[in-house]
Amino acid sequence: TQLLEQSPQFLSIQEGENLTVYCNSSSVFSSLQWYRQEPGEGPVLLVTVVTGGEVKKLKRLTFQFGDARKDSSLHITAAQPGDTGLYLCAGGGSGGSNYKLTFGKGTLLTVNP
Amino acid sequence: GAGVSQSPSNKVTEKGKDVELRCDPISGHTALYWYRQSLGQGLEFLIYFQGNSAPDKSGLPSDRFSAERTGGSVSTLTIQRTQQEDSAVYLCASSLATTSLKFFGPGTRLTVL
Repeated sequence: TQLLEQSPQFLSIQEGENLTVYCNSSSVFSSLQWYRQEPGEGPVLLVTVVTGGEVKKLKRLTFQFGDARKDSSLHITAAQPGDTGLYLCAGGGSGGSNYKLTFGKGTLLTVNP
Repeated sequence: GAGVSQSPSNKVTEKGKDVELRCDPISGHTALYWYRQSLGQGLEFLIYFQGNSAPDKSGLPSDRFSAERTGGSVSTLTIQRTQQEDSAVYLCASSLATTSLKFFGPGTRLTVL
């Protein structure tokens, strides 16, 4: 069974601070996705990384996929209250299971004004 | 429609009753997925449809859970003889193909008293 561990589980910071959340596994994934979920809504995809060592930037968000494709990190620079939400990482299956996503439990981020 | 819709948004039921949860995917999306999100847990895969067929039902927790999809569109998740541990948010997602971007609906929050 593939598992994804996310840390920290909860994070409360002040506006303007930087933060990093982590997503780790003992399994190799074909891809790694990051989602953000707000209360009462479904997760919304932020980014997909597929190549070991890949780094993607989306404005103030930087995503990295580990060289061995077992771990990933999300770094937010100068956090804003609008960044508040549940951040979920999800590993993509391969071959005949390419439809299946394995999710971590998430990091609940609160950015205080 | 513009996105994935789910109904009802909230459902409160008594232990032992049956419930039906509905998902309307994005028009033209052949793949449809059901996930369950419990408090403090990540999204748990339940079932995957390709058209009207369900190649993977491995995530259904027990035989009280069933799902169907008709006309390659609407899907219904049925839980019979509900138990308190069934309380969770049930999320539906759809995609054009299995490796395509998955769009999630807002979910149905099920509370079993």
